[in-house]
Amino acid sequence: EAGVTQSPTHLIKTRGQQATLRCSPISGHTSVYWYQQALGLGLQFLLWYDEGEERNRGNFPPRFSGRQFPNYSSELNVNALELEDSALYLCASSAALTDQETQYFGPGTRLLVL
Amino acid sequence: AQKITQTQPGMFVQEKEAVTLDCTYDTSDPSYGLFWYKQPSSGEMIFLIYQGSYDQQNATEGRYSLNFQKARKSANLVISASQLGDSAMYFCAMREGRGAGNMLTFGGGTRLMVKP
Repeated sequence: EAGVTQSPTHLIKTRGQQATLRCSPISGHTSVYWYQQALGLGLQFLLWYDEGEERNRGNFPPRFSGRQFPNYSSELNVNALELEDSALYLCASSAALTDQETQYFGPGTRLLVL
Repeated sequence: AQKITQTQPGMFVQEKEAVTLDCTYDTSDPSYGLFWYKQPSSGEMIFLIYQGSYDQQNATEGRYSLNFQKARKSANLVISASQLGDSAMYFCAMREGRGAGNMLTFGGGTRLMVKP
């Protein structure tokens, strides 16, 4: 069974540009989560999508947005990039309506903003 | 206040020995789940083990076991018979509440280094 996949693996942008990161969940999983892992700041929850809807978002500005497609894959968009957006962006998926709801993570996209 | 605290930024362990990674948590929700993940240098977060707040027994998965002490709000990870491939960052995480999709809150992580 294929795991969570993310693309691209690395992304280099300049300040002010927009970045688009993509995630495909494990087959059968309907929930997709995005986390940011910046140096020195640990893992922070960004967004949660389920059944095509944004269900929850962390403490991030509106320039962080995304969507979930009918096939449950997801896109994270970061507008007006700032230097501090440089981080590893991790996507995770889970099967809804289970008690444990383990989130399984993809390999991440490393975003570098110059 | 920190919801998940990992007090050991780095630890060494001799190959084939057991090691305990500490994790304490803070929540007033009676229903929660505790997770441990391993993050090698490649960056991917690998799920290791889960403990639910209502589980009566400590969770075990192969060489991994979770020492769950509910009254002390601790959920320490025990790795038995350490291997060189166990060298990585280890994160403790908590999900509060029941129902689909509650976010995970992570601790700061512990870097484990296994010596040959």
